[in-house]
Amino acid sequence: NAGVTQTPKFRVLKTGQSMTLLCAQDMNHEYMYWYRQDPGMGLRLIHYSVGEGTTAKGEVPDGYNVSRLKKQNFLLGLESAAPSQTSVYFCASSPNHRVGKEFFGPGTRLTVL
Amino acid sequence: ILNVEQSPQSLHVQEGDSTNFTCSFPSSNFYALHWYRWETAKSPEALFVMTLNGDEKKKGRISATLNTKEGYSYLYIKGSQPEDSATYLCAFQGAQKLVFGQGTRLTINP
Repeated sequence: NAGVTQTPKFRVLKTGQSMTLLCAQDMNHEYMYWYRQDPGMGLRLIHYSVGEGTTAKGEVPDGYNVSRLKKQNFLLGLESAAPSQTSVYFCASSPNHRVGKEFFGPGTRLTVL
Repeated sequence: ILNVEQSPQSLHVQEGDSTNFTCSFPSSNFYALHWYRWETAKSPEALFVMTLNGDEKKKGRISATLNTKEGYSYLYIKGSQPEDSATYLCAFQGAQKLVFGQGTRLTINP
């Protein structure tokens, strides 16, 4: 099993450009999450999904959109990137609410110039 | 907004010494408390999940306790080794998602 994978690993964008980060998991998990990690801020939840076709806002959702068209994939979109979105993005998945332990992907380092 | 606090923010410990740090969380609507270990340039990895008041978990030299009534958990490391250097995150599990603390960055000095 690959676990949780993220694509790409690194990306540099110019202000105003758009991009999509892909998260994939092969563990048949119901729940998937997108976090951003900034110095001194810990992990902050952007959006999450409790099943295929569902999404919900987390703590810092502004400037991001997500989609969960397939159970194994969770996409994070930036429509118009801003320097404030420079961060490391982590995707995670968990089996369900009863088993809340989350499995994390390797992270995507995004720089917006 | 749920407040999960960890202290201290950073800690330097001599190799061989034991250490501990704290996670405090809301005592209401509690489902579980998680501890993660996060090494630099890697992803967080789950250490423990605790659900019951009074729970104690142990993995090797690392152990954790849980007090849900007063809203705190302690993580203990006995006989610290350089490979224990990492950021330790706790997370409060309420409905559907985890709320993470900011972490305690532990550095073991050889």
